[in-house]
Amino acid sequence: KQEVTQIPAALSVPEGENLVLNCSFTDSAIYNLQWFRQDPGKGLTSLLLIQSSQREQTSGRLNASLDKSSGRSTLYIAASQPGDSATYLCAVPSSGGSYIPTFGRGTSLIVHP
Amino acid sequence: GAVVSQHPSWVICKSGTSVKIECRSLDFQATTMFWYRQFPKQSLMLMATSNEGSKATYEQGVEKDKFLINHASLTLSTLTVTSAHPEDSSFYICSARETTGMGAKNIQYFGAGTRLSVL
Repeated sequence: KQEVTQIPAALSVPEGENLVLNCSFTDSAIYNLQWFRQDPGKGLTSLLLIQSSQREQTSGRLNASLDKSSGRSTLYIAASQPGDSATYLCAVPSSGGSYIPTFGRGTSLIVHP
Repeated sequence: GAVVSQHPSWVICKSGTSVKIECRSLDFQATTMFWYRQFPKQSLMLMATSNEGSKATYEQGVEKDKFLINHASLTLSTLTVTSAHPEDSSFYICSARETTGMGAKNIQYFGAGTRLSVL
């Protein structure tokens, strides 16, 4: 059974810092890996999707990398802004057949001015 | 990108009543939809997989008679919380997996969630 761990659980930083959020998974037979953002009381917003054959994806100030063999993904946020404050979740669907993603518990990020 | 609409966004009900939550894929067809539950500061836990035209598949520990799922069309799935009690209060999120042609794109699109408060 896939297990997904996200570190750190919480992060509070001043505006402008570059950040690294970590996601690790136990079963490397994955189909893809997706990073989401969740604002308090809201649903999920997809940030980046990395297919299992890719090593990284970039969107604006966000960069996600994937190392399947070591079971790790990293979300890098450059020049953080207060508007980046949210919970960041990674989701990993196993390639065993159902493709249903397993979610980590998320990293709660606060960027203060 | 693809849009999943979830309604209502927030509902308050009395204990013992039933509540229906709708999940619609607006611009694509979804053979499969998923229902998740999220407690405060916790991650999303899959409750059930909803398959168009057939019975839903429930995860272990989820009462199928308590959480009724209907997926009558390729764009609509509903979750009914029957005889709701305060412990059912939670954030419920649906997602839809896009189905195209002969196969499915394994990308899920999520609704905005429904906050259920049972008094």
